[in-house]
Amino acid sequence: DAGVTQSPTHLIKTRGQQVTLRCSPKSGHDTVSWYQQALGQGPQFIFQYYEEEERQRGNFPDRFSGHQFPNYSSELNVNALLLGDSALYLCASSLTGQEQYFGPGTRLTVT
Amino acid sequence: AQSVAQPEDQVNVAEGNPLTVKCTYSVSGNPYLFWYVQYPNRGLQFLLKYITGDNLVKGSYGFEAEFNKSQTSFHLKKPSALVSDSALYFCAVRDLNRDDKIIFGKGTRLHILP
Repeated sequence: DAGVTQSPTHLIKTRGQQVTLRCSPKSGHDTVSWYQQALGQGPQFIFQYYEEEERQRGNFPDRFSGHQFPNYSSELNVNALLLGDSALYLCASSLTGQEQYFGPGTRLTVT
Repeated sequence: AQSVAQPEDQVNVAEGNPLTVKCTYSVSGNPYLFWYVQYPNRGLQFLLKYITGDNLVKGSYGFEAEFNKSQTSFHLKKPSALVSDSALYFCAVRDLNRDDKIIFGKGTRLHILP
């Protein structure tokens, strides 16, 4: 039984570019949450998807958007990248209301 | 608003000694509490959770946590530390009566000395 998977593992982008990160949830899970973890910080909640809709959103600008597909996989899109967007992006899946299981993350570096 | 405080940036413990990693929380309703561990260049691994019931919760790798409602604390403990326990530990909270958003503390780095 595969756990949560994320791709790519690492990514280097230039300021102003756009990026798409992908997540496949643990088998049987229907909810996907995205977090940003800056160096030396705890994960910060970006948003959560359930039944292909954004259910909750943290304090992130509209440059951060997402999508959930019918198979429950999800994408995180970030437009107009800033240097401050450099971070580890974590995807977590769960059954709604239950504990979240995290993927290994995507390390995004913006230069 | 929900919040989590981990007052120690780093905790150093000798191998074989008991360890405690502190966490206090604030929620308006009933708390749903978690501990996660993060190893270098890895995602977060779930250790244990508290929803209701016995205040002492047992989790993975011999860890346990004690819920104290009056002190709004959820400290992580282990009777005998291993060098392999060295990692970054995160406490997290969700308000059971509200949304599904989980708030994480800033993390405590646990260093077990051989």
